[in-house]
Amino acid sequence: DIQLTQSPSFLSASVGDRVTITCRASQGISSYLAWYQEKPGKAPKLLIYPASTLQRGVPSRFSGSGSGTEFTLTISSLQPEDFATYFCQQLNSYPRTFGQGTKVEFK
Amino acid sequence: EVQLVESGGGLVKPGGSLRLSCAASGFTFTNAWMSWVRRAPGKGLEWVGRIKTKADGGTTDYAAPVKGRFAISRDDSQDTLSLQMNSLKTEDTAVYYCVTDIGEVWGQGTLVTVSS
Repeated sequence: DIQLTQSPSFLSASVGDRVTITCRASQGISSYLAWYQEKPGKAPKLLIYPASTLQRGVPSRFSGSGSGTEFTLTISSLQPEDFATYFCQQLNSYPRTFGQGTKVEFK
Repeated sequence: EVQLVESGGGLVKPGGSLRLSCAASGFTFTNAWMSWVRRAPGKGLEWVGRIKTKADGGTTDYAAPVKGRFAISRDDSQDTLSLQMNSLKTEDTAVYYCVTDIGEVWGQGTLVTVSS
């Protein structure tokens, strides 16, 4: 199985900060990586797939990059509604696997 | 509105069975590969399994912890996805989500509790 390791697990930030989250795969997955945002009590929301393609309706302050084994999610200017948990998922092979998540908290 | 609505969760004893359903609307279900994903209390997301469209063979794949105990099926005439869970274990306790395969659409989840 492909393991995904996200870092950091927790991140304290302020409104306006630039935030970067990393997802590393245990083996190459080309660009078959998705990024999700999850808020308490709500279903996860797909932000980016494949690795750098923003889904329709997602604000342009979100961006994704990388291929192979290393990927990043960047929020260029953190907004109040962005405080949430973010996680990655590889869609290169089965079983699909998820990163453990990164919780973005208010500093 | 694109929507997935799960039902069928509840409390079941270890060794028991439960069947979850997921009603799809707002998109062409027949053309969608569908998955089940779960989150155990305090844990991360875990992919459970996937079913392809009938046009792609309708085949299924499962995660190792559920293989042989869980079965995914689909009824395209009713736009419904199902998850039959047998020989349930306490470690199957989780919120179960119905999801399109690439994760564009998620249901709200249904809680399955396996406990004596």
